[in-house]
Amino acid sequence: ETGVTQTPRHLVMGMTNKKSLKCEQHLGHNAMYWYKQSAKKPLELMFVYSLEERVENNSVPSRFSPECPNSSHLFLHLHTLQPEDSALYLCASSQIRTSGGVTDTQYFGPGTRLTVL
Amino acid sequence: KQEVTQIPAALSVPEGENLVLNCSFTDSAIYNLQWFRQDPGKGLTSLLLIQSSQREQTSGRLNASLDKSSGRSTLYIAASQPGDSATYLCAVRSSGANSKLTFGKGITLSVRP
Repeated sequence: ETGVTQTPRHLVMGMTNKKSLKCEQHLGHNAMYWYKQSAKKPLELMFVYSLEERVENNSVPSRFSPECPNSSHLFLHLHTLQPEDSALYLCASSQIRTSGGVTDTQYFGPGTRLTVL
Repeated sequence: KQEVTQIPAALSVPEGENLVLNCSFTDSAIYNLQWFRQDPGKGLTSLLLIQSSQREQTSGRLNASLDKSSGRSTLYIAASQPGDSATYLCAVRSSGANSKLTFGKGITLSVRP
């Protein structure tokens, strides 16, 4: 048990569907992340939330919409996706120490395997 | 822009062999470097983290080294076991404590019984 859970673990959706991915961390961390892992590509950082504020958005298409209602929960809302969006979506959390700004190691969830038909 | 390379993409070895996984990065101005393990269909598990001021870190049968000037890191696995079969990813955090992690594509290791 890594302390970071993700649901659902698998999701198949059509291009016109709307769905949401959920991430929850039980580690008391103050930063959460969404990554995309496609076949044959390195992990790509999508979004970073620190202290519930979005601090980074790596030019992700607007069909991906993150939401961080509190420090323990992170959502990724999906709508009108494309087949090339099929990938493993990983959530992670870490503790950013406000004094010194040091970021500790990130802890990852098991991921959601998304297939877009 | 930082780029992280891991070659080869896949490796198969017999059980008991000592092995070295390589990682190279283009910008030597790093804050730290981390090795992760990923099992099929699972998330990442942190194995070792080396700060930029350190040369190596050890945990059990694993030893990671860092040579910032040459932009290289190695993960040494002693006496490999079938349970070590997984994908090993190298990630670099560039200078600036809160900068993002840049990942390599990973090396998929298979240890044959």
